[in-house]
Amino acid sequence: QQQVKQSPQSLIVQKGGIPIINCAYENTAFDYFPWYQQFPGKGPALLIAIRPDVSEKKEGRFTISFNKSAKQFSLHIMDSQPGDSATYFCAATILRSSASKIIFGSGTRLSIRP
Amino acid sequence: DTEVTQTPKHLVMGMTNKKSLKCEQHMGHRAMYWYKQKAKKPPELMFVYSYEKLSINESVPSRFSPECPNSSLLNLHLHALQPEDSALYLCASSQDPTVLAGVETQYFGPGTRLLVL
Repeated sequence: QQQVKQSPQSLIVQKGGIPIINCAYENTAFDYFPWYQQFPGKGPALLIAIRPDVSEKKEGRFTISFNKSAKQFSLHIMDSQPGDSATYFCAATILRSSASKIIFGSGTRLSIRP
Repeated sequence: DTEVTQTPKHLVMGMTNKKSLKCEQHMGHRAMYWYKQKAKKPPELMFVYSYEKLSINESVPSRFSPECPNSSLLNLHLHALQPEDSALYLCASSQDPTVLAGVETQYFGPGTRLLVL
C-alpha cells in the first residue's frame, strides 16, 4: 500500500525545544525518504532526505532517525526557532524509469513560540 | 541555480475562461511535474513529464491539459474549470533517477494561486 502516515497533525513548542514529527509507511519498495518544509504561500522545499539503509542523518539542526524494521522515521529539530514555524511533510519516494513519484504524509503544522 | 519559476503568481478566472500556467527550470532536469495543493493538504500529483513526454497522468480531468514544449518549460492549459479547482498549483522538476549519485529529489516552484469564480 502506498501510504505514509504522519503525526501529529499540529505541534506547538517553545523556542529552544526539540519538536519531533513521526511517520510510518507500509510499502517496502520506497527508495528514499525526504522531508519537505513549506511556508504559507510558498512551494515545499526539500529539507533533508535519507536512504533506507541509513539509520540517522543530520544536517545542521535537523536530524532524521530511520527504523527500517519498524517502517518508521522521524524528524527532530534541535534548538528550534520561531523561523522554523511552518508545515512539514514527510514523504517516501519511488524511483521510476526516468522520474520519481513522491508519496506525501498529511503534514504537521509546527509553531515555535518565542 | 536550483530554482523553479512559475507564472503567474496569482490567477483569477471564470468558468468559461481559457488560461495557462507556466513553469521553467534551468537545472538540466529531465523530469517535470504538476501538482495541485488544497489548503492544509499535501500536494497531489497530477502529471509527470519525462524527457518531454507525458509519462504519468493521475486520472486528471480533461479540463487540465499539460504541455512540455522543451526540456526547460512546462505549461498547464486550463479550460472550463470548476470552483472546486481553486487551489495552489505547483510545478516541480527532478534529475533523471537513473543518473542520480545521491539522494536528489524534486525541487518545487513557488506555485500559482488559482481562484475559479
